[in-house]
Amino acid sequence: LAKTTQPISMDSYEGQEVNITCSHNNIATNDYITWYQQFPSQGPRFIIQGYKTKVTNEVASLFIPADRKSSTLSLPRVSLSDTAVYYCLATGGGNKLTFGTGTQLKVEL
Amino acid sequence: GAVVSQHPSRVICKSGTSVKIECRSLDFQATTMFWYRQFPKQSLMLMATSNEGSKATYEQGVEKDKFLINHASLTLSTLTVTSAHPEDSSFYICSATSYAGGGETQYFGPGTRLLVL
Repeated sequence: LAKTTQPISMDSYEGQEVNITCSHNNIATNDYITWYQQFPSQGPRFIIQGYKTKVTNEVASLFIPADRKSSTLSLPRVSLSDTAVYYCLATGGGNKLTFGTGTQLKVEL
Repeated sequence: GAVVSQHPSRVICKSGTSVKIECRSLDFQATTMFWYRQFPKQSLMLMATSNEGSKATYEQGVEKDKFLINHASLTLSTLTVTSAHPEDSSFYICSATSYAGGGETQYFGPGTRLLVL
């Protein structure tokens, strides 16, 4: 299982773009990169998933360079409600997920 | 995205009793579901993998006789905490794997808060 490493915490202000980078040096060929968001006392919510290059949906963008050893989750114009823990995981092949510490994002006015 | 539900959302029980938590995939079938436990300020810890029609696979350190898992159908897995004690108080979360769109994504339930008195 590929281990992922991400910053423990990040602070931002409303309206700013937030980029959270995740390292996954040992990612397997068939693994995807998946990001989840978790609020207190709730289950993780799927945000975005990608294999390489760039993926964009209505809430975020995911950038994965050619070597796939890292990825960056980009949240445009964050608001207070984006304050949460964000998890980066390498997923695929029916493998069980191993959650790291995640990144606690705090958005202030 | 796919929807996973859990019931109950919150349960309080006396020490020594058993508690059953249900996990359902509402709009897709899941041959594999997972059960996690999360303590305050900590990350999710995988307890077991629930396989439809076969025995669950437990992670190291998780007692299979205490945490009974049944995956009787492609949309339902249950976790029963037997003879619960205060140290079992935690937030229990399930997930189910969806293969829609050609990819593989785990979707999580809303969680069940267990408090053992």
